[in-house]
Amino acid sequence: DTEVTQTPKHLVMGMTNKKSLKCEQHMGHRAMYWYKQKAKKPPELMFVYSYEKLSINESVPSRFSPECPNSSLLNLHLHALQPEDSALYLCASSQSGVYGYTFGSGTRLTVV
Amino acid sequence: AQRVTQPEKLLSVFKGAPVELKCNYSYSGSPELFWYVQYSRQRLQLLLRHISRESIKGFTADLNKGETSFHLKKPFAQEEDSAMYYCALSPYTSGTASKLTFGTGTRLQVTL
Repeated sequence: DTEVTQTPKHLVMGMTNKKSLKCEQHMGHRAMYWYKQKAKKPPELMFVYSYEKLSINESVPSRFSPECPNSSLLNLHLHALQPEDSALYLCASSQSGVYGYTFGSGTRLTVV
Repeated sequence: AQRVTQPEKLLSVFKGAPVELKCNYSYSGSPELFWYVQYSRQRLQLLLRHISRESIKGFTADLNKGETSFHLKKPFAQEEDSAMYYCALSPYTSGTASKLTFGTGTRLQVTL
């Protein structure tokens, strides 16, 4: 298995809802990432996990809460989001920095 | 701080013409450089990494440390090369995780 799988592919949520995005990989990669991509913009790093521990938080608002339950899974818990949080959320994993990342196809989130 | 600059938002070429997508970077340490490609409605894919010095789909890229550039080249453009191309940089690390920063992207349009 050489893919990163993200679910759901699309999500519409209200500003008072709580939802979660899921990401899974079975390549044995020990680093996993969340990126946010707005339309016609490059991906922007949100969080980095290394060996299931949060190593980088790019000053992301607390309404986004990441979780890494094991080496294959990465979640992003969402609560009280704003319409401007609507974007494509990308998960990625890497074996090491020099090899580059493998990206999932993303979850397109719309906050209404 | 690390920064990647792609000066062209759009590059339009005829089929069979040479292609050069420009990328300049700013980073005080040893960078790892990559090119990623995003075809229409597909996930972000790793195209090239400077450390491997390989040619993928006819594309090559050479790291020029003096000019801090990592331009992507192909001698003869094909229609299927039409896509969004992102140059990306991460600091060298012997660890598992890295912080990958993307340029703003260049859309390559190959016309008949």
